[in-house]
Parts: sequence; C-alpha cells; structure tokens
Amino acid sequence: DVKVTQSSRYLVKRTGEKVFLECVQDMDHENMFWYRQDPGLGLRLIYFSYDVKMKEKGDIPEGYSVSREKKERFSLILESASTNQTSMYLCASSSDFPYEQYFGPGTRLTVT
Amino acid sequence: QQPVQSPQAVILREGEDAVINCSSSKALYSVHWYRQKHGEAPVFLMILLKGGEQKGHEKISASFNEKKQQSSLYLTASQLSYSGTYFCGTALEAGNNRKLIWGLGTSLAVNP
Repeated sequence: DVKVTQSSRYLVKRTGEKVFLECVQDMDHENMFWYRQDPGLGLRLIYFSYDVKMKEKGDIPEGYSVSREKKERFSLILESASTNQTSMYLCASSSDFPYEQYFGPGTRLTVT
Repeated sequence: QQPVQSPQAVILREGEDAVINCSSSKALYSVHWYRQKHGEAPVFLMILLKGGEQKGHEKISASFNEKKQQSSLYLTASQLSYSGTYFCGTALEAGNNRKLIWGLGTSLAVNP
C-alpha cells in the first residue's frame, strides 16, 4: 500500500514563528502536493512539485514556500506564521498517469 | 473554473441510492472522485477520462458526459460506510493532469 506520512498530526505555533511541515511518501511518486483545507472552502492547492527541486505555485502560495531535495520528501514552510494560517494541511503524492492522488493523514496547525 | 458539485448535502437511509454531480464550464480532460470520511484524509475512488476510459473501484460507478462537461457518481444500495464528503477534481488538459481543480464537496450522510 502507498503510504504518505506527515510529521505531526497536531501542531501549535506562535505568530511569527517559522514552521516546517514534512511529508514523506514511500512509492517513488514523481508528484507531490500541499493543500490546505478549511470548512466550506474545499481543498486549496498551495504548491506542488513534479520532480526533485522542481515546484509550481498553486492557488494560494502567499506566505508559504516549499522544498523538495529528495524525491520522497516534500516540505512546506511558513516563513512567519500568522493566525490566518490556522488550518488543516494535507500532503498528497501521485505517480504519472492516471495521477490518482494519495493523501497523508493531515496536520492540524493552530497559530496563536 | 472551479467545478460545481450538486447537491451540497444529502441524507440517505441505508439501502437508498444517490447521485452526486460535478459540472464544469470548461471542457474537461478528466474527472477524479475522492471520498473523505470525517477526521480522515481523502481517498481515491474513480477517475474518468475523456474518451471513456475509467479506472477505479469496482463497487463505485460513475459517468462522464463530455457534451455537458459533467460527471456523475452513482452510489447504489448505500451503506453506513458511504458517509463522508465527496470531492470531484477536474483536469482541463491531458498535459496538465497532475494539478486538479477541486469542487467544494458534497456531504453525504447515511443513516440506519
């Protein structure tokens, strides 16, 4: 079975802190994604990566950056956390065609 | 550009049927369906491609009307385990199938 793991299920940080969310997949997938999920807003793509060191902005990249130094690992970085970044963060990975995405369990981040 | 899902919510009794629709104003290349149970990550159900190809679980059926740019997910003889939020993700081009545009979801509750 494909496994996508995220470093924390719950995280509480203070405003202004630098926050790292880690995601690891074990299926040698080319593509990896970071989403945030808020009630009523569905899944919003923050960034995705289609290869090591390659990344593309999603719909809401402001305030976030990403890093993919190894194929299996994709990190989301909040340079200076703000309260409006309190959310559920989901990581996903997919192979090329047909691109079905496998999701991690999510990290619920609270910024106080 | 975001696909529209309907209905927004549906309540069923066990054994009843339901149809969830996903409509786009743009020509679609593929439609992906996912289910998210409460407190869990989304799980892949089905992908439908322009031209009729499908890939997914045997117990789930769906259709893709290319003329209407609409996909429908058919849940027959519903079980309690079908409860959750169903999301459709759409891709507009074959060459850009990695990045999906997500609908806001349809909440399904199946009661005994």
